[in-house]
Amino acid sequence: EAQVTQNPRYLITVTGKKLTVTCSQNMNHEYMSWYRQDPGLGLRQIYYSMNVEVTDKGDVPEGYKVSRKEKRNFPLILESPSPNQTSLYFCASSLVGGRVTDTQYFGPGTRLTVL
Amino acid sequence: AQKITQTQPGMFVQEKEAVTLDCTYDTSDQSYGLFWYKQPSSGEMIFLIYQGSYDEQNATEGRYSLNFQKARKSANLVISASQLGDSAMYFCAMREAPYSGAGSYQLTFGKGTKLSVIP
Repeated sequence: EAQVTQNPRYLITVTGKKLTVTCSQNMNHEYMSWYRQDPGLGLRQIYYSMNVEVTDKGDVPEGYKVSRKEKRNFPLILESPSPNQTSLYFCASSLVGGRVTDTQYFGPGTRLTVL
Repeated sequence: AQKITQTQPGMFVQEKEAVTLDCTYDTSDQSYGLFWYKQPSSGEMIFLIYQGSYDEQNATEGRYSLNFQKARKSANLVISASQLGDSAMYFCAMREAPYSGAGSYQLTFGKGTKLSVIP
């Protein structure tokens, strides 16, 4: 089944404890992206990757890192999480990055709580 | 100015009836994509339907159709024969090319409409 997977789905952690949220897609998509969704602020892009080894900042990159060593994987790293990073996180992918007509498919989401 | 406007924070519809969720957008680009997503209470973001700016026909996918009026910059989602499982948040989104020529091609989302289907 074609899909985007994320792990973990739920995570409660404490301030400062490094964590990684994994994202994997099996559709051979070039473009991958991370969004966070917050009440009243909607969905905002954190980082994106047009292809392997090509990543760039979105609208809200502070406090996050990413890497794209393989086409299928795009992990999101929080080196020192803080309570303002409590959010619902989505990974998304599309076939090609530079095409407005391409549909982005989303993973199931990761609910992160930072205490 | 908001790029995507969804003016209905919440809507109710009777089961088996049709419902229209409004979406207007703002862009000066000629080429763009419009998308609708469904987010049930479980949280996942499910792609429903897509309309390209150059598409002359309105998109349809099963019970979903998109009423695309380019001159009015509107892309309303029509759900026919509503079902209880349609109760969810619905988001309209647009994908444009970045102004600088190199960049994100991110989706810009509206604030969503919460649809409740009444038995």
